[in-house]
Amino acid sequence: DGGITQSPKYLFRKEGQNVTLSCEQNLNHDAMYWYRQDPGQGLRLIYYSQIVNDFQKGDIAEGYSVSREKKESFPLTVTSAQKNPTAFYLCASSTTSSPYNEQFFGPGTRLTVL
Amino acid sequence: AQKVTQAQTEISVVEKEDVTLDCVYETRDTTYYLFWYKQPPSGELVFLIRRNSFDEQNEISGRYSWNFQKSTSSFNFTITASQVVDSAVYFCALSERETNAGKSTFGDGTTLTVKP
Repeated sequence: DGGITQSPKYLFRKEGQNVTLSCEQNLNHDAMYWYRQDPGQGLRLIYYSQIVNDFQKGDIAEGYSVSREKKESFPLTVTSAQKNPTAFYLCASSTTSSPYNEQFFGPGTRLTVL
Repeated sequence: AQKVTQAQTEISVVEKEDVTLDCVYETRDTTYYLFWYKQPPSGELVFLIRRNSFDEQNEISGRYSWNFQKSTSSFNFTITASQVVDSAVYFCALSERETNAGKSTFGDGTTLTVKP
């Protein structure tokens, strides 16, 4: 079945540590996105990638980094510079970066900083 | 700048009641796209519908219907004869043609609880 996988489902991190969230898609989509969701709030865009080897900052990129070395993979690193990283992280993809296209979402990773 | 407002934070209904979720948007672009997504307790958002700014025709899909009105900048979502399985968080989203990369702005979501 085609879709988006995110791992791990739950992640615990100590303060001061970097941690990497995995996102893989087998939909052959060009565009990929990372969102952060906090309780009672909508999705806020962290980074997006329109095509492999290219990515841009979203609205809340500070303290995060990404790479897009392969079309199917878009990992997100939460660095120690992110002051409040505890949140639910969602990865998404779309056929292309056209605003017409709906996004397909993964099941999310819940990150907790201890 | 684009903005999406979902004023209803939480709605609770009893099964079989009809319920309408409101979505109001702001944009300066003349070409834009509106979306509704459903987020069940599992967490994964599921796409429900897309509307472009030139198509104000209302749409019905089973128990779901959508009312798009450019005059009031609204794109409301109605569930008829609600069921417990409809319990979820529903997000309205907006993408503008002039915005690069298909970036969508999401509302804060409406949590719908359908009680048996």
